[in-house]
Amino acid sequence: AQSVTQPDIHITVSEGASLELRCNYSYGATPYLFWYVQSPGQGLQLLLKYFSGDTLVQGIKGFEAEFKRSQSSFNLRKPSVHWSDAAEYFCAVVFLSGGYQKVTFGTGTKLQVIP
Amino acid sequence: VTQNPRYLITVTGKKLTVTCSQNMNHEYMSWYRQDPGMGLKLIYYSVGAGITDKGEVPNGYNVSRSTTEDFPLRLELAAPSQTSVYFCASSPLDRGGEAFFGQGTRLTVV
Repeated sequence: AQSVTQPDIHITVSEGASLELRCNYSYGATPYLFWYVQSPGQGLQLLLKYFSGDTLVQGIKGFEAEFKRSQSSFNLRKPSVHWSDAAEYFCAVVFLSGGYQKVTFGTGTKLQVIP
Repeated sequence: VTQNPRYLITVTGKKLTVTCSQNMNHEYMSWYRQDPGMGLKLIYYSVGAGITDKGEVPNGYNVSRSTTEDFPLRLELAAPSQTSVYFCASSPLDRGGEAFFGQGTRLTVV
């Protein structure tokens, strides 16, 4: 069955440090891949997306993600974290099912940024 | 994407509706519930007016899609297990994961 895994429930980094959030998926083909961010009390905002082509994709707020087919991964990175990046991050993948696209979200990674 | 209300407290057994509307002419609309540590679970989705289908956790919920813009979520008999935060989302049909989300509705059933 198709699945999405975010192995880290909670991550703490110092402001200015680099960040990598992990996302792995299980699917027979290459799905569409997304990262969303959710600030407290808010809806989800799309950070970046991968459909095809260049495996390193740039998003908003200085984030990037790299698709690695061999590892079935789509990890999110940021070279220098700001205090305002504290939020919950969700990886999402789109699978084809019955002719339609179905979205599956990971369980999320909560990022804490310390001064 | 606009959903209302933002906050709702109700009692067990009541019937309620959470509204969702979008003005981007997106064919694809969906409802999710979010529980702590569980991510988002798909309740129902629609690929166009008159077409709806069940997602991962449809029991106890109902939806309809009479127009492209509106996709209300109905709870026929509210239960404490339905206490959660609900999100509506819309997207172009061929980019189902590239979604625009509403602000969420925090529902408490006592």
